[in-house]
Amino acid sequence: AQSVTQLDSQVPVFEEAPVELRCNYSSSVSVYLFWYVQYPNQGLQLLLKYLSGSTLVESINGFEAEFNKSQTSFHLRKPSVHISDTAEYFCAATNAGNMLTFGGGTRLMVKP
Amino acid sequence: KAGVTQTPRYLIKTRGQQVTLSCSPISGHRSVSWYQQTPGQGLQFLFEYFSETQRNKGNFPGRFSGRQFSNSRSEMNVSTLELGDSALYLCASSSGQGRNTEAFFGQGTRLTVV
Repeated sequence: AQSVTQLDSQVPVFEEAPVELRCNYSSSVSVYLFWYVQYPNQGLQLLLKYLSGSTLVESINGFEAEFNKSQTSFHLRKPSVHISDTAEYFCAATNAGNMLTFGGGTRLMVKP
Repeated sequence: KAGVTQTPRYLIKTRGQQVTLSCSPISGHRSVSWYQQTPGQGLQFLFEYFSETQRNKGNFPGRFSGRQFSNSRSEMNVSTLELGDSALYLCASSSGQGRNTEAFFGQGTRLTVV
């Protein structure tokens, strides 16, 4: 069985500061990793995904994540956050297609 | 291209009743997965349907069931509702082909059991 752990339930940060949201996974087989974002009263939107190839993946809105197999991590980073990035972020993993295992979520709170 | 549509958006039911939630996937997608989201347990996988067959199942009691129609639309049913079933139920669709397909989520149905 696989599991996903998000180490911080809340991360407060000032606008324009850098941020890192941590995610660790455990899996005995090949794994595909995802970061999703959820705004209040909304579903989940895919931010970025690691399937294979380059270990650094980027999203169109400035987020990036690095797959680190030796540390079993997939941390999400952004060099400069905006107020609009305030949301809940979920790390997820799968090795069986569409059966995603989610972490507990990290609430990113960007303060002016 | 229309996204994943879940209906209704909000539901209030009484303990002991049953409820049916609906999900229309993105056109052409054959896989539909269901998740339950609660403050205490987070996001948990319920089940996945692909081409009208249940392909994966999470660890939920038999009161939770689902089905998929030939047009890929899916329904999930919860019988004998309990207070703890209050949650946001999310549906995700994907092509279902291969192991690395992206899941697109609907906005969810918020179920409140009173």
